[in-house]
Order: sequence, then C-alpha cells, then structure tokens
Amino acid sequence: EPEVTQTPSHQVTQMGQEVILRCVPISNHLYFYWYRQILGQKVEFLVSFYNNEISEKSEIFDDQFSVERPDGSNFTLKIRSTKLEDSAMYFCASSEALRGAETQYFGPGTRLLVL
Amino acid sequence: AQSVAQPEDQVNVAEGNPLTVKCTYSVSGNPYLFWYVQYPNRGLQFLLKYITGDNLVKGSYGFEAEFNKSQTSFHLKKPSALVSDSALYFCAVRDISRGDYKLSFGAGTTVTVRA
Repeated sequence: EPEVTQTPSHQVTQMGQEVILRCVPISNHLYFYWYRQILGQKVEFLVSFYNNEISEKSEIFDDQFSVERPDGSNFTLKIRSTKLEDSAMYFCASSEALRGAETQYFGPGTRLLVL
Repeated sequence: AQSVAQPEDQVNVAEGNPLTVKCTYSVSGNPYLFWYVQYPNRGLQFLLKYITGDNLVKGSYGFEAEFNKSQTSFHLKKPSALVSDSALYFCAVRDISRGDYKLSFGAGTTVTVRA
C-alpha cells in the first residue's frame, strides 16, 4: 500500500538555525499538507499546497515558514530561523484531490527539537 | 469555526469488551468527519470517515462510527476490543462550506486495552 514518507525521523537543531523537513507524498496525489503537534497538544494545520502554490495557511505559518515542491516527488517544509517553540512533531499529508470527502494520508512524522 | 471535542483523555477496557471513543463536533455547515489512529512512533493512520448517507460507517480493523446529527457526535466503536487496539485516537472534522479543506483535530483519546 502506498505511503507518505518523511525524513529525517528526528532532527535536533540550535535556535536560529534553518531546518528543512522532507516528505515524499503518495505518487498520484496532487494536494499536500503540513501539520504539527506540539507535545501534549492537538495536531494543528500549517499549510496546504497545490499546483506549486499555497492554497491555504494557518496563522501559525508565518514568514519564517516556507514550502516547496522542488521536484516531482518531494515536498519540503523550511523553517528559516528556528525558535524553541518550533519544537514539535511535524506531519506531512497528501490527498488525491481537494474535494471535502478526500482522505488525507499522513506520514510518520519528523520530531524536531530546537535547543 | 470548525472544531471537535474528545471529552475523554483516556479510555480503558478489557480485551473482548466493547470499545467506544467519543467525539462531538461543531461546524457551521455540513461536516465531513474522520477518525485516525496513532500507534507509538508512527504517523496518523486513517480509520474511517463520514461524508453523507448511512449514519453508520465501517472502517479498518473492525472499527465503526455512528454519525448523529442531532447530538453533533461521531463516536468510534468496536464491538470487541483487542490489546493491539491500544493507541491514541483522533477525531477530525472538515467544514468545506467555509471554503477551506484543512482538518481540525480533537485533542486525542488514549485507549488502553488490558488483557
């Protein structure tokens, strides 16, 4: 069964450093998402992406965040200057279409720790 | 704004007994409702969804959920729980009447099934 994959599984970085989290969505999916889960809190939506454009973003997704689909398979989340409060599990998801009924399939997550 | 509530942080049941995980939702339009499960060190796995039609939805691993519009609930059920069902369960809602497609998650319910 096709799966969303994410690398790395864990990342430790120093405050102020840039990090790039990588995702490979399911191959025939067209819509991509990033969510995050701060320890002990809800899973929160960050951004959705379609046709090389952001289609929706939350208030969390400020100027320090960016997303990119650099090639035909990868989807990345960049955090330019990490803060302590960026420490969280980051989940990538993809869906075949953007209709409301479409299921979003999630990757295993990248656990980011900012020191 | 769309939201879901999972009123129980934890649910404990004995193996073989029925399992119920509660979820209530709040949306301005028609809800699309989802259940996901998260095993330790794994991503969110899709279990089932309600879009329209029959209020009883059947999903993976013997789980089912009942949509109740009057009570704005979407409780997850399994007639006979297994030890392997021990995991973190998330309810999520999408309200496309607002023109967005992000999932809003509940806080999660930890299910422990004892042998």
